[in-house]
Amino acid sequence: SNELTQPPSVSVSPGQTARITCSGDALPKQYAFWYQQKPGQAPILMIYKDNERPSGIPERFSGSSSGTTVTLTISGVQAEDEADYYCQSVDISGTYVVFGGGTKLTVL
Amino acid sequence: QVKLVESGGGLVKPGGSLRLSCEAFGFTFSDYYMSWIRQVPGKGLEWVAYTSSSGRTIEYADSVKGRFTISWDNAKNLLYLQMKSLRAEDTALYYCATWELRGAFDIWGQGTMVTVAS
Repeated sequence: SNELTQPPSVSVSPGQTARITCSGDALPKQYAFWYQQKPGQAPILMIYKDNERPSGIPERFSGSSSGTTVTLTISGVQAEDEADYYCQSVDISGTYVVFGGGTKLTVL
Repeated sequence: QVKLVESGGGLVKPGGSLRLSCEAFGFTFSDYYMSWIRQVPGKGLEWVAYTSSSGRTIEYADSVKGRFTISWDNAKNLLYLQMKSLRAEDTALYYCATWELRGAFDIWGQGTMVTVAS
């Protein structure tokens, strides 16, 4: 399967930890990447190669991988983190790009 | 400042054609793979196509294969997406982005809207 599966929504209170999962059959063999998208804006790369953070991304954002599931963790969630989050990878052959369906993070 | 700027979107009738452009500022296309990604308003991201800097490696999503063509003009630092036989389901905001093979989309434009309707 070329699909990446994310929960449609996650809710968390400010200061708590949010975890957004992404599952796909190719993830044990291919890297995953995470993007944040706020309304009216283009996506921003938050995590690359499962768990690397680009410069300028706050340390509260981290990524991890276990088998067919990767997880984006946001520690000490802030109101400004409310956004849609997308995981992305490639299929098992490394040829076709695939995005997860996206997860709307709501900060209560 | 490093940025990408898309243009060429608009309203087109079903079955029609449109060519999108993406111009790079502050960097050279030849250093990257380039890709088009689209997003129906209120929905998720969908990868459309990518090309290597040489043009020797090009891939398309099944949903656009045979109808869309990605290309670029290195001399002008312009990326194109030629879209033909457009359908209502092609209506979306089209982004161009830099891409690392099997990797991440790093630099994104702000998108250009394509509406296919009669």
